[in-house]
Amino acid sequence: NAGVTQTPKFQVLKTGQSMTLQCAQDMNHEYMSWYRQDPGMGLRLIHYSVGAGITDQGEVPNGYNVSRSTTEDFPLRLLSAAPSQTSVYFCASSYFWTGGKTFFGQGTRLTVV
Amino acid sequence: QQQVKQSPQSLIVQKGGISIINCAYENTAFDYFPWYQQFPGKGPALLIAIRPDVSEKKEGRFTISFNKSAKQFSLHIMDSQPGDSATYFCAAHGGFRNDMRFGAGTRLTVKP
Repeated sequence: NAGVTQTPKFQVLKTGQSMTLQCAQDMNHEYMSWYRQDPGMGLRLIHYSVGAGITDQGEVPNGYNVSRSTTEDFPLRLLSAAPSQTSVYFCASSYFWTGGKTFFGQGTRLTVV
Repeated sequence: QQQVKQSPQSLIVQKGGISIINCAYENTAFDYFPWYQQFPGKGPALLIAIRPDVSEKKEGRFTISFNKSAKQFSLHIMDSQPGDSATYFCAAHGGFRNDMRFGAGTRLTVKP
């Protein structure tokens, strides 16, 4: 099993550009989520999905879109990048929604200039 | 507002010593409390977790102590080793969105 795979690992964007961060898991997990990690802030939930076709907003959803067409994939789209979106982004998945072992990807370091 | 408060921000411990990291939460609907370990350039990895029906859980050198009435829980690392040097995050799961809220993290350095 590869676990949770994120691409790309690094990305530099100009303000106003859009891009998609890819996330795939091969553990057949129903629950997937996206977090951003900023110094002194821990990890904050952006969006999550409890299954294919179902998504919902987390704590900091503004400026991001998600979709879940398959169990395996959960891409995160930045619509119009802003410097405030400079962060490290982590995708995560778990079997249970109600609390259980959560697996994280290696992260994507995004810089918006 | 941060629903899970973690302290200290950084911690330096001698090899063989005990590392203690504390967390406090506000929402009594939280029902699962994991600790994550993160090495530089890597994603967080689950270290140990507890549910509020027990007051302590031990796995090897790692122990979670949980105080439901005080809404506090802590991670104790016994016989700390240089390989334990990492950032540790506490988290709480549950609540309105049934999601996971993280503390701000503690950077642990274990000196040889």
